[in-house]
Amino acid sequence: EDQVTQSPEALRLQEGESSSLNCSYTVSGLRGLFWYRQDPGKGPEFLFTLYSAGEEKEKERLKATLTKKESFLHITAPKPEDSATYLCAVQNGPNAGNMLTFGGGTRLMVKP
Amino acid sequence: DVKVTQSSRYLVKRTGEKVFLECVQDMDHENMFWYRQDPGLGLRLIYFSYDVKMKEKGDIPEGYSVSREKKERFSLILESASTNQTSMYLCASSLVGSGANVLTFGAGSRLTVL
Repeated sequence: EDQVTQSPEALRLQEGESSSLNCSYTVSGLRGLFWYRQDPGKGPEFLFTLYSAGEEKEKERLKATLTKKESFLHITAPKPEDSATYLCAVQNGPNAGNMLTFGGGTRLMVKP
Repeated sequence: DVKVTQSSRYLVKRTGEKVFLECVQDMDHENMFWYRQDPGLGLRLIYFSYDVKMKEKGDIPEGYSVSREKKERFSLILESASTNQTSMYLCASSLVGSGANVLTFGAGSRLTVL
């Protein structure tokens, strides 16, 4: 059975304190790994897609990396507006769009 | 700039009631999805649709049905609501092809079943 585990469940940082969120996965044939951001009271918002080990994507203070077993979301010098829940998901089926397995999310809180 | 609209943000229903959750997207997307989100369990796919009148079961379809009569509208139906269906329900849409898993989500509908 495909599994996605995110750690930690919650993370408190001071503004400017860099850190990383982890997404470990067990999937039979990874087709893609996705990161989403979810603000309170809103639906998730797409951040990145990674397809193969060694791939990296960056957006502002966020950088996502991928290995054969896990993905990291690195947050450099975070600001309070980076506070949100970060979700990762894996695509594990042959038909794009219908085989996403999500992890439980990491709730990030950045204090000024 | 609203793209995926879920008509009800908060609903309170009683056990056994029939519940309709409506979702409309204005991006001309082919794919539409219904997920439920529960603490610690992440998002779980209930149903998805890749075309009008087409539907496919997701991971947890039991107790739910869906309707897609028009491309822009995807409805989730709980025929007889139960307390274990208390949850946040998220609708999403996407294009076909390489963008199919770049989902655009609505704001969610929080359902409480008493």
